[in-house]
Amino acid sequence: SQKIEQNSEALNIQEGKTATLTCNYTNYSPAYLQWYRQDPGRGPVFLLLIRENEKEKRKERLKVTFDTTLKQSLFHITASQPADSATYLCALSDSWGKFQFGAGTQVVVTP
Amino acid sequence: GAVVSQHPSWVICKSGTSVKIECRSLDFQATTMFWYRQFPKQSLMLMATSNEGSKATYEQGVEKDKFLINHASLTLSTLTVTSAHPEDSSFYICSASPAAGDLQETQYFGPGTRLLVL
Repeated sequence: SQKIEQNSEALNIQEGKTATLTCNYTNYSPAYLQWYRQDPGRGPVFLLLIRENEKEKRKERLKVTFDTTLKQSLFHITASQPADSATYLCALSDSWGKFQFGAGTQVVVTP
Repeated sequence: GAVVSQHPSWVICKSGTSVKIECRSLDFQATTMFWYRQFPKQSLMLMATSNEGSKATYEQGVEKDKFLINHASLTLSTLTVTSAHPEDSSFYICSASPAAGDLQETQYFGPGTRLLVL
């Protein structure tokens, strides 16, 4: 069966450092991989999308890599700020637009 | 742009009653809307895909008679939890995809509806 794995342990990081999150998947050939931010009691907010033929994508302080051989994506938040504290979800989608989400990794940025 | 709203944001109801949740795309037309539920510290689980003007497609294990979905227009989809029971208590989130553009690239999520069944 298809599985998406994200670190279940919260990532505690000091302000200014780079946070790196991992998303691994099995039994899946996604057309797209997306990262979302979710705050408590709120719906996910889209951050970045990367296609299967792309290796890396950047947006401001965010960077995503996608290795279809390793079946892994890394999500980086550089120069992290306390406002970046949230849960970050990895989502895979097939060519039909059907999404499957990981359980998310909580990031806590301390001043 | 690309705002999706949900109403209500939270609801408490008695066991056995039905609850309707609305999902609206405010500034775009949504050919497809998706309904998810999320339990604490768990991932979003897709319940069904709702296409305007046609029947919803339900994921395996989701009872279509229990969770009624109506996508009556390009800006509105509703989820009705019929005869709600305490185990239906969850966080329900909808997402919408625009009529134009890549379906995969543009799903916008609503803020979610917290349902508590007593």
